Amino acid sequence: ETGVTQSPTHLIKTRGQQVTLRCSSQSGHNTVSWYQQALGQGPQFIFQYYREEENGRGNFPPRFSGLQFPNYSSELNVNALELDDSALYLCASSFPSGPVETQYFGPGTRLLVL
Amino acid sequence: AQSVAQPEDQVNVAEGNPLTVKCTYSVSGNPYLFWYVQYPNRGLQFLLKYITGDNLVKGSYGFEAEFNKSQTSFHLKKPSALVSDSALYFCAVRDGAAGNKLTFGGGTRVLVKP
Repeated sequence: ETGVTQSPTHLIKTRGQQVTLRCSSQSGHNTVSWYQQALGQGPQFIFQYYREEENGRGNFPPRFSGLQFPNYSSELNVNALELDDSALYLCASSFPSGPVETQYFGPGTRLLVL
Repeated sequence: AQSVAQPEDQVNVAEGNPLTVKCTYSVSGNPYLFWYVQYPNRGLQFLLKYITGDNLVKGSYGFEAEFNKSQTSFHLKKPSALVSDSALYFCAVRDGAAGNKLTFGGGTRVLVKP
């Protein structure tokens, strides 16, 4: 077990709605990243937070936003949902452990947009 | 821009035989390379990573990977495959010059037959 949990496990929304996905990581894991994994593809980097500040973003529109909290939890918010947002959303956390940190993934939240 | 290619969508191997999953990469800086495994309806589990030093990296569950700078490859290997190794395997690269973002390949499905 990685100690990274995500909620909910599954979610169904309709186009145009807004959704909030949650992630909780271990104490000391001060970096959290979010990835989108469409069916049959590898994960795509959405953004990363370090000590509650966004410090990297992938090729995703501004309607994808996030928050990181002091208690090592974080949120991914998606506004104006589109059908193509249907995917598995993965949260990954890491802690300072040398020159290259390992990202530990949660089980994911599967989002279906109808 | 950094990229990863996994040329095989699926690898079939008999239990007890050697397993190899191929990965090639492209980065502008120093390559930091990772292998993850994903079981059905689960998140990604970390197997191993290459940062620097010995070209043969040993990881979890008997897996190892060989870094080859001249061929820009990082193939995952296991001397004797188990049926329980059947899963989806992802190679990922972090470009040392591009922050902490992981770029994943498309994944290779491994099927180990008894």
